[in-house]
Amino acid sequence: ELQLVQSGGGVVQPGGSLRLSCVDSRSTFSSYWMTWVRQVPGKGLVWVARVSNDGGNTKYADSVRGRFTISRDNAKSTLFLQMKSLRVEDTAVYYCARTIYYSSSDNWFDSWGQGALVTVSS
Amino acid sequence: QSVLTQPPSVSGAPGQRVTISCTGSGSNIGAGYNVNWYQHLSGTAPKLVIFDNNSRPSGVPDRFSGSRSGGSASLAITGLQAEDEADYYCQSYDSTLNTFLFGAGTKVTVL
Repeated sequence: ELQLVQSGGGVVQPGGSLRLSCVDSRSTFSSYWMTWVRQVPGKGLVWVARVSNDGGNTKYADSVRGRFTISRDNAKSTLFLQMKSLRVEDTAVYYCARTIYYSSSDNWFDSWGQGALVTVSS
Repeated sequence: QSVLTQPPSVSGAPGQRVTISCTGSGSNIGAGYNVNWYQHLSGTAPKLVIFDNNSRPSGVPDRFSGSRSGGSASLAITGLQAEDEADYYCQSYDSTLNTFLFGAGTKVTVL
């Protein structure tokens, strides 16, 4: 049973914007940190961004910092990834993942969304 | 080339044991950061199979086990089953890069 349901993928031109959403069907969303991970088709997984359970603490990969914004609405059990100034190399399947935060450097991802394909192309 | 190195593929007959290595360095696994493992079938949500080096989430068969020694970690699958055929990724943290890392993935094929 899929407990993280994603939406918002699509095709966008270079320089464009897109927002991904991830809704958690469980009642515990506000207790967990959350993470976005992406996968270029045919390649491996890459960590993108993380947000604390209250939304006050965020961390980004160097490749997206300043262009992507991770946020959440705990009242709606929803995680977001706002992507701006998109590049061809941002083309990937994006996954949201519930994060077990043991420490700032010790996280694992115990529940994942089904993925959303973002294609950046002219 | 990934900072965490995994073999591209491993294979085994049903019932056999396979192991997947994940080799890092002194700024990640060798620094003592924990290793986690994920099973991923293309087009589906990845699944956590090992966390904190050697712990299994509820619902993951005990055929899956993990270990870490020095700058490397391993995932072992015993009693290989057809349903185990998937890509497997190790994941840790790197203090030099200040980010979370995944290995490039290993494709497990059940012969």
